[in-house]
Amino acid sequence: QITLKESGPTLVKPTETLTLSCTFSGFSLSTHEEAVGWIRQPPGKALEWLAVIYSDDDKGYNPSLESRLTIKRATSKNQVVLTMTNMDPVDTATYYCARRTGSYLLFGHWGQGTLVIVSS
Amino acid sequence: DIVLTQSPDSLAVSLGERATIKCRSSQSVLYSINNKSYLAWYQQKPGQPPKLLIHWASTRESGVPDRFSGSGSGTDFTLSISSLQAEDVAVYFCQQYYSAPTFGGGTKVEIK
Repeated sequence: QITLKESGPTLVKPTETLTLSCTFSGFSLSTHEEAVGWIRQPPGKALEWLAVIYSDDDKGYNPSLESRLTIKRATSKNQVVLTMTNMDPVDTATYYCARRTGSYLLFGHWGQGTLVIVSS
Repeated sequence: DIVLTQSPDSLAVSLGERATIKCRSSQSVLYSINNKSYLAWYQQKPGQPPKLLIHWASTRESGVPDRFSGSGSGTDFTLSISSLQAEDVAVYFCQQYYSAPTFGGGTKVEIK
């Protein structure tokens, strides 16, 4: 059974750096063509893809947010970590991690998400 | 960025009736070499993460009821629910994976 779970702070202040962890089970990021991504969703709004990390440690970022994002993995812990710098109230959202399906960037398994509020 | 525009923003359909959702892409997501459109549909129920329903514009995921169908190619796509059930109340999103992923704005489906 494949599971993913996000963890991190619920509240961050403007200008701070957000660090989120995704702990997963049921698959290994060391397996060829596996990938884990992050997607966020502001309350009542649409989904926005943020970043992805692949089994070969290649990474991809949303071009509009790339300067603020870093994704990395801790393979031995089955974890993927996302950092986002210079947080702003518009970054308030539920942040999801998800495992991609097949060889393309579509996501067949999702965590339940973690709500991050940016407020002073 | 490829922009996906969904319509309508919301719709109310009677139980057992058909629901139709449109997704238009700002550029073609059809890859000519394999003749596949890199377009997926997700269903998101309140308080839940999205669930992948359809990929390649028309291929249902395993376990997805056959009342859900996807069609279209290139820039214009449709998700249809042939006979709406109460459990289909949700927001539906399209997503392209032809390039850096982007999602449509969502369509909320309710019971009339």
